[in-house]
Amino acid sequence: EPEVTQTPSHQVTQMGQEVILRCVPISNHLYFYWYRQILGQKVEFLVSFYNNEISEKSEIFDDQFSVERPDGSNFTLKIRSTKLEDSAMYFCASRPDRANYGYTFGSGTRLTVV
Amino acid sequence: EDQVTQSPEALRLQEGESSSLNCSYTVSGLRGLFWYRQDPGKGPEFLFTLYSAGEEKEKERLKATLTKKESFLHITAPKPEDSATYLCAVQTNNNDMRFGAGTRLTVKP
Repeated sequence: EPEVTQTPSHQVTQMGQEVILRCVPISNHLYFYWYRQILGQKVEFLVSFYNNEISEKSEIFDDQFSVERPDGSNFTLKIRSTKLEDSAMYFCASRPDRANYGYTFGSGTRLTVV
Repeated sequence: EDQVTQSPEALRLQEGESSSLNCSYTVSGLRGLFWYRQDPGKGPEFLFTLYSAGEEKEKERLKATLTKKESFLHITAPKPEDSATYLCAVQTNNNDMRFGAGTRLTVKP
């Protein structure tokens, strides 16, 4: 069964450093998402991406965040200057070109900012 | 403001003891309601999509139902392997997904 693949599974970084989280969505999917889940809290929407541009972003997704689809297969989330409160599980998800469909989520990257 | 509320926060059942999880929602426009299962340290795993009031979906011991204001996930004769957090999410008119906080289910043998 097709999967969304995320790397690394765990990233530890120092406060103020830049991190890039990587995702390989399912190959025929056209909509891509990043969500985060702070330990013990709900899954929160960050950003959606379609046709090589951001289609919507939440208030969490400020100027420190950016997304890119550099080569047609990878989908990345960059945090420019990490803060302690960025520590969370970051999930990538994708869906086909349909209005209503269950997203497929990756297994996540656990980001720890120290 | 769009809101998704799940109850209870946590539920402990004995193996074989059936029960229901609730998801109530207030959204400007509902395109679909989704149920996911999440195991510790993993991403949400898709279970069901419901689109309109009165719709029902079943999968093994799970059955999801939908009304205009809420959805239920019924678990019949649960087993320990059903222990997980069950997440409800709604897809709004702008196609984005908003999650509830989840119900943490523990099934004891």
